[in-house]
Amino acid sequence: QKEVEQNSGPLSVPEGAIASLNCTYSDRGSQSFFWYRQYSGKSPELIMFIYSNGDKEDGRFTAQLNKASQYVSLLIRDSQPSDSATYLCAVNGGGGSQGNLIFGKGTKLSVKP
Amino acid sequence: DGGITQSPKYLFRKEGQNVTLSCEQNLNHDAMYWYRQDPGQGLRLIYYSQIVNDFQKGDIAEGYSVSREKKESFPLTVTSAQKNPTAFYLCASSIRAANEQFFGPGTRLTVL
Repeated sequence: QKEVEQNSGPLSVPEGAIASLNCTYSDRGSQSFFWYRQYSGKSPELIMFIYSNGDKEDGRFTAQLNKASQYVSLLIRDSQPSDSATYLCAVNGGGGSQGNLIFGKGTKLSVKP
Repeated sequence: DGGITQSPKYLFRKEGQNVTLSCEQNLNHDAMYWYRQDPGQGLRLIYYSQIVNDFQKGDIAEGYSVSREKKESFPLTVTSAQKNPTAFYLCASSIRAANEQFFGPGTRLTVL
């Protein structure tokens, strides 16, 4: 069974700090990795995707991928109260799954003013 | 204004009823997906379609049915065989399978 694991949190950080969200996955064949943000009662919104080992930066967000360790993370710099949400990690299933995404259960982030 | 629309936003079902959830996209995406989300749970794949007139079961297809007669539309029917249908239903699309998926606003289904 292919799995994506995330710490459910809640992760609480003060405003202005760096929030670090982590995700591990079980399928070594996975090639694509995604981070979604989901506000309470709303649908997920894509914020980052990464395909290659290393870092990818987009504004205050940095995605980090380490395929050897089967680990992907999301850093949020200068965290704002508006960043308070649940962050979902999704991994392309690879192999015979025809490209379907496998989602973790999400990490709830709370940014305190 | 491109995007994915779902209707209705809220839906109430009586025991033994079938209900159909609508999902439409004007992004010209080939692939479409239906997920179910329960409180504190991740997204679970119900059905997916990579091309018109073809669809595949996901992890929890029992009690659900779909059709893909048009590229833009992927309706989901929740049948009376689905014993615990109360959940948040999310439709998504991607330009092709394995690419990033974009979600509609969701339909919240409640069984009375």
